[in-house]
Order: sequence, then structure tokens, then C-alpha cells
Amino acid sequence: DQQVKQNSPSLSVQEGRISILNCDYTNSMFDYFLWYKKYPAEGPTFLISISSIKDKNEDGRFTVFLNKSAKHLSLHIVPSQPGDSAVYFCAASQEYGNKLVFGAGTILRVKS
Amino acid sequence: DVKVTQSSRYLVKRTGEKVFLECVQDMDHENMFWYRQDPGLGLRLIYFSYDVKMKEKGDIPEGYSVSREKKERFSLILESASTNQTSMYLCASSLTGGSGVGRTSSSYEQYFGPGTRLTVT
Repeated sequence: DQQVKQNSPSLSVQEGRISILNCDYTNSMFDYFLWYKKYPAEGPTFLISISSIKDKNEDGRFTVFLNKSAKHLSLHIVPSQPGDSAVYFCAASQEYGNKLVFGAGTILRVKS
Repeated sequence: DVKVTQSSRYLVKRTGEKVFLECVQDMDHENMFWYRQDPGLGLRLIYFSYDVKMKEKGDIPEGYSVSREKKERFSLILESASTNQTSMYLCASSLTGGSGVGRTSSSYEQYFGPGTRLTVT
């Protein structure tokens, strides 16, 4: 039973345009959400996060939006750059316990 | 910077061999994790540890065991490797979170090693 779902396996975007990666979750006890970026042959690296008490968090070109009522979050990358091409994982955490639950990932390709 | 290192980047083993994957972190983190990453399945948690000599099963512990004798080191053991254990193995570490207002963003973030690509033939 997947608690965190990334329903788009891949996304292709033109350089300079906006990339929007989506994530849905089912567990209403999740209180913190993170996005990780992973290049081939490397470990995931933390990108941006958001607490469940917020609906938006911005860091440079990256913005994460949280819609708690819809149990949906999205990552916006503006403008997209070829170096953003990677696999993006959405992850969620509960207050008690230190585990993260990851989605299946979305492969982003930014074409120049 | 937090550094998580894994003993091998690539490993090739034969079916039935006992395999050891080592992970070391240098930031005095209490928590350590082992995941495997497979296409279309994301990162799945195999085992994790909150403290030395403590371990808990994750979502897919079958065929694996772990050892944590020192705080900085967390080992994953494949008792008898099988071809369906061919995968990318990722180790991670994190700080122990508090609860409620004591919990900060740094409590949630896990830091990953570069991964070990294991092939079992």
C-alpha cells in the first residue's frame, strides 16, 4: 500500500520553462514533506521541504506547495535548467519515528 | 558537511554468497537507514537503527540482516545473495528528532551515501 505516490514516471520540459512535479499522499498523520534530487550513480540529496502547517515554501528557483485538504504537494522549478535533469523523489515523515516514506520518483528531463 | 560513505560503489557477487555492505557517517547521527532503490519502486526501507545495537525492520527486511556495533557504522548483510537482490543500495543517517515544538527541520532530513550497485549473478 503506497502511502506516497508520484504518478508521473517522467516529465520532459524545455529549458527556461516551468517544471511541475506532483506528489500525493494518503496518510493524514504525515507532518513534514521533503523533496530529494538524485543523479545517476549518486545518492539522493535534499532539495527543499515543507511543514504541514505551511502551504508554500520557496528557495530560489524551487517552490513547494502543499494542499493538505487534497493531500497533494507539488514542486515547481522556474526556470528549468538542463542541470535539473535528475530523478526527483517526494518523501513524507510522521512526528513519531524518524522514518521517511518515499514515492517512486519522477525522472525530469530538461531539454536545451 | 555531513558525510556518509559506503564501502563499495559496485559489487558483483554470486548466488548464495554472503554479502556485507558497510556504511559510515561522520556527524554523530543517532539514526541510520538502509534502502534499496529499484526502477518504478522508489526507495524502500530495509532496516533502520535508532541507536547502537538497536535495529528495527523496515518494509522489506526479508533476506537481509543488519549490525550496528558502533554509532558511526551500520552494516547490511545479505545472508545468501539471490538474483532478486540485484539493486542499488543506499545508506542514510539523520539526527534524532524531538517531538512537537522540539522537532526541527534538521530532524527530518536524511543524508545519503553514494550508493552501492550490487549485481548478483
